[in-house]
Amino acid sequence: QVQLVQSGAEVKKPGASVKVSCKASGYTFTSYGISWVRQAPGQGLEWMGWISAYNGNTNYAQKLQGRVTMTTDTSTSTAYMELRSLRSDDTAVYYCARYYYDSSGFIEYYFDYWGQGTLVTVSS
Amino acid sequence: QSALTQPASVSGSPGQSITISCTGTSSDVGGYNYVSWYQQHPGKAPKLMIYDVSNRPSGVSNRFSGSKSGNTASLTISGLQAEDEADYYCSSYTSSSTPYVFGTGTKVTVL
Repeated sequence: QVQLVQSGAEVKKPGASVKVSCKASGYTFTSYGISWVRQAPGQGLEWMGWISAYNGNTNYAQKLQGRVTMTTDTSTSTAYMELRSLRSDDTAVYYCARYYYDSSGFIEYYFDYWGQGTLVTVSS
Repeated sequence: QSALTQPASVSGSPGQSITISCTGTSSDVGGYNYVSWYQQHPGKAPKLMIYDVSNRPSGVSNRFSGSKSGNTASLTISGLQAEDEADYYCSSYTSSSTPYVFGTGTKVTVL
């Protein structure tokens, strides 16, 4: 069965960086992409960006450009999201989610499996 | 890119039908058939309920249906059940520099 298992909760100080991992299993990793979505406490979902596990192509939300980097390691079927220069308003649960992206560049614009979420707390 | 607009809350009695709206623009909801809907229970990850406007993933109850007219998409839950009480988010591909956007979210309460 498809599973996305994320790394554990993090507590960071303002200005620091955090790197969250998302290990995939149960499917061919390079036939899909991974998107990252965050949710601040009591707030809605916010799309952060995505990365194709096939060719590493990325696309980030404009508001996070320059602070976020998404990568994949196909040898371990793991995706990573690094967020730098953390601020208090980056405190949120961060989710990874799978979307279809094949070798021809065809993309399905929905997320069918999600990780369990990783709480990142930014506090001095 | 602004979030798609949803009502903050919708409620209904068991067995009734409710509809949640999701309003965007011609650059997102109105321009593409890439609207999806997610259900989220407290403390849980979102779950895909509808994709590409009106398609249900395997395992999702046929009590959930989706549609679109112009710049507004809708999710209808028929035969409302207690387990349907959750937050619901729409989402869409967009032609803006941020190519994906979620709605503001709707809390569904079963009375």
